Amino acid sequence: LAKTTQPISMDSYEGQEVNITCSHNNIATNDYITWYQQFPSQGPRFIIQGYKTKVTNEVASLFIPADRKSSTLSLPRVSLSDTAVYYCLVGLGSYIPTFGRGTSLIVHP
Amino acid sequence: SAVISQKPSRDICQRGTSLTIQCQVDSQVTMMFWYRQQPGQSLTLIATANQGSEATYESGFVIDKFPISRPNLTFSTLTVSNMSPEDSSIYLCSVVWVRGQYEQYFGPGTRLTVT
Repeated sequence: LAKTTQPISMDSYEGQEVNITCSHNNIATNDYITWYQQFPSQGPRFIIQGYKTKVTNEVASLFIPADRKSSTLSLPRVSLSDTAVYYCLVGLGSYIPTFGRGTSLIVHP
Repeated sequence: SAVISQKPSRDICQRGTSLTIQCQVDSQVTMMFWYRQQPGQSLTLIATANQGSEATYESGFVIDKFPISRPNLTFSTLTVSNMSPEDSSIYLCSVVWVRGQYEQYFGPGTRLTVT
């Protein structure tokens, strides 16, 4: 099982860009990298997924270097409502998605 | 995206009893997973419940304690048997669609408190 390592917590301010990096040194060839957002008392919500290089959607960007041993979630211009726990998930290609500890992001006014 | 509902949304149970949690999906999906999330912790995978095969349990979880049924492509149940306070947690079901990429969706969770 691919394990992930993320910072436990991060602080930011409204309007700033936030970058959260996840390490996954033993990622398998057919694994995807997916990021989720979770608010208290809710299930995780899909943010973005990638396999290599860069992926961008309407809420975030995902940067994946060539060796795929890490990935960075980039949230542009965060707001207070982005305060949540963010999980980096590696898997699905191997049908065994496992969660790391997640990063608790707190956005301050 | 898939819409997933779980019943019950929460329950308070006495130790030694069992609770069955239902997961209903609005579309047919092959891959389904059950997770547990204890307060302030990350999600822990309990088992994989693909339709047409026996559930596959992760280390630390056994079928006698967490029996799973997957009778069709839109429904599954997880039973927490002979409960103890240590089973107090949020239980979430999750499904995966393969549509070019792997899309995983989660239910709202069932908050279980064992007294």
